[in-house]
Parts: sequence; C-alpha cells; structure tokens
Amino acid sequence: GAGVSQSPRYKVAKRGQDVALRCDPISGHVSLFWYQQALGQGPEFLTYFQNEAQLDKSGLPSDRFFAERPEGSVSTLKIQRTQQEDSAVYLCASSLGGQRNSPLHFGNGTRLTVT
Amino acid sequence: AQKITQTQPGMFVQEKEAVTLDCTYDTSDPSYGLFWYKQPSSGEMIFLIYQGSYDQQNATEGRYSLNFQKARKSANLVISASQLGDSAMYFCAMREPRGSTLGRLYFGRGTQLTVWP
Repeated sequence: GAGVSQSPRYKVAKRGQDVALRCDPISGHVSLFWYQQALGQGPEFLTYFQNEAQLDKSGLPSDRFFAERPEGSVSTLKIQRTQQEDSAVYLCASSLGGQRNSPLHFGNGTRLTVT
Repeated sequence: AQKITQTQPGMFVQEKEAVTLDCTYDTSDPSYGLFWYKQPSSGEMIFLIYQGSYDQQNATEGRYSLNFQKARKSANLVISASQLGDSAMYFCAMREPRGSTLGRLYFGRGTQLTVWP
C-alpha cells in the first residue's frame, strides 16, 4: 500500500498478557519510529530504527517493551506482561531518512486497552 | 524543559474565518525542522506543513501557512477560510537531526480546534 499500515487496529488484553503490534512502513523508508499516545496527549517517542538497526530505544518505558525490525522493513512492538498503564494508542511512523526536512508519515495506530 | 509548547488546549472558530494556533519551541541546535500535524477523531496523524530553520520565507500549503518567528522561537499555524472538516486536534512538532536524538519528532500537547457553522 501507499501508506504506513498498522495491525491490529484495536487490541484488548487482560493484564499480564503479552501483545505484539505490527507496523508495515512505506516502501523504501529507511527510518521507522514507534510512538505512544495517551488519551488527550501528544505522541511520546518510544524507539527508532534505521533500516534493521535500533539506534535509539531510550523512550521505551520499561524492559517489558521490546521492538524489532529484523529485515529493515516490517517492525513489531512487543509488550510483555501488560499493565493497565500500557493502555494507549501506539503509532508507527516512517520517513525517508533522519533529515530535518523529512516528515514522518504515520499509520492509523493500534489502540491497546488493558483490562 | 518542554521542547514544544502549545498553550491553547482548545480553540473555536466560525466557518470561513481564519484562525491561528500557537506554538513555541526550545532548541540550541541551529538546524531543525518544524512540522504541524492534524489528528481527526479517527486517529490518523496527517502531515500539514513543514518549516526549516534556515528557510527565509514562511511556509505555505494551500490554506495552511506557518508564521515563523525565529528570534522568538515561534511557529504558529494559520488556517485561512476554516471549514467544518478542519475540526481536529493539531500538533506542533520539531525535529533535530543531529546529536543523540537522531531525528525523532518532539510533539506538543496539541490544540483541539472546533469549527462551527
């Protein structure tokens, strides 16, 4: 497709379950970002990939969060032992590169609800 | 310190009128990019407009223009001739391509714009 694709669109998990969120970036986009957006807030940075290399994971809130992009294309964000505070929209974005004039193109997000 | 500050939680404008959404930013990097995104209730983040720190002229994209005042570190979004479909959350964001942040976007808290008939 032409845009960033995320799945699932909605995910409900019971506290303690593991979840995996998928992101398919725009073809040819080197940079891939994951953001977390709480209700009524702006997106908060989680992690960044350049091709398959995870160059920055400083925004991941705990070691329960793990992201990978093994072949430099599709990325998966995994959350282990989910907690209620993990409930948020998880946004994936891609860009051609890290230049200041390169906008991030976002997917529609995955809304995670932990019960 | 906040990288991006949006001081207007909500704004209201009548259809066909112009509206300005405020944004100030904080950076010591001379090279940076400023972006505005629109997020309708559907949740998608839609890129609207970009302004580079070295750009001499204010950016324009259709009904959107960016009032860039570098000395004041201000990057306000102006929407002319508002339409009902402009009702959404608007986010200002900044990208610093150098250093440890490696090009991540910093977002403000957003401004909820409501356009009324």
